[in-house]
Amino acid sequence: DTAVSQTPKYLVTQMGNDKSIKCEQNLGHDTMYWYKQDSKKFLKIMFSYNNKELIINETVPNRFSPKSPDKAHLNLHINSLELGDSAVYFCASSQAFGVAGFQETQYFGPGTRLLVL
Amino acid sequence: AQSVTQPDIHITVSEGASLELRCNYSYGATPYLFWYVQSPGQGLQLLLKYFSGDTLVQGIKGFEAEFKRSQSSFNLRKPSVHWSDAAEYFCAVGARLTGGGNKLTFGTGTQLKVEL
Repeated sequence: DTAVSQTPKYLVTQMGNDKSIKCEQNLGHDTMYWYKQDSKKFLKIMFSYNNKELIINETVPNRFSPKSPDKAHLNLHINSLELGDSAVYFCASSQAFGVAGFQETQYFGPGTRLLVL
Repeated sequence: AQSVTQPDIHITVSEGASLELRCNYSYGATPYLFWYVQSPGQGLQLLLKYFSGDTLVQGIKGFEAEFKRSQSSFNLRKPSVHWSDAAEYFCAVGARLTGGGNKLTFGTGTQLKVEL
C-alpha cells in the first residue's frame, strides 16, 4: 500500500497551459504539504493544509492554487504555466497534532516531474 | 528563522568504506532533526530522526546520526557503504506549527557517489 501517492508521475506541457497534480495519503494524517524541488535539488515548502485549512502559504505566485477536497487529498493546480515552473513537486503528509516527534515527521510521495516547454 | 547547512555538495567513497555526511543547523529552540534520502528519480525516504533523549539515533539501512548541541550539528554516519547507498541525502530541521503540522527546512543536499 502506497502511503502518499501522486499523479501523474510525469507531466510534459506547453507554456500557458493549466495543469493539476493530485495527491492522496492513506496514513490518516490531517496535515498535507506541497514542496517544489528545483533543478539544483533544493526543496522548498510551498503550502501546508491542516484538515482542509491553509496553514502555510510561502511566497508562491498566485498561479499556484492548492485545493483540499478532504483531509486525505491535496491537489495542486497551476495556471498559465511558465518555463520556470519546471521542477519536481512533492506532496507530503504528517499528523496535525501529537506528542513530540510525531507531529514533526513528514512522509513524502514519489514526486511529479513537471516539464514546461 | 531556522536554517540548515550541508557543507559538502558531493562526496565520493569506495564501497565498504565508512561515511560521514555533515549537517549544521540553526534553530532557537530544541530542534527536531531529520535525514532523508532521495534515490535517483525517486521520492524522499526518511532515514532517521531526532527529537530528544539519546543523542545517537539509529535509522534504517544501517545509518546512524549523532546530535551535538554544542556544535549545532547532526552528522549522518554509516560504517560500511554499499553501492546502493548512492543517492542524494538531505538534512532537515522541523518546527511544529500551532495551527497544526510542522514546517521543515531542508539543507541543499549532499550527493553521494560510491565507487566499486
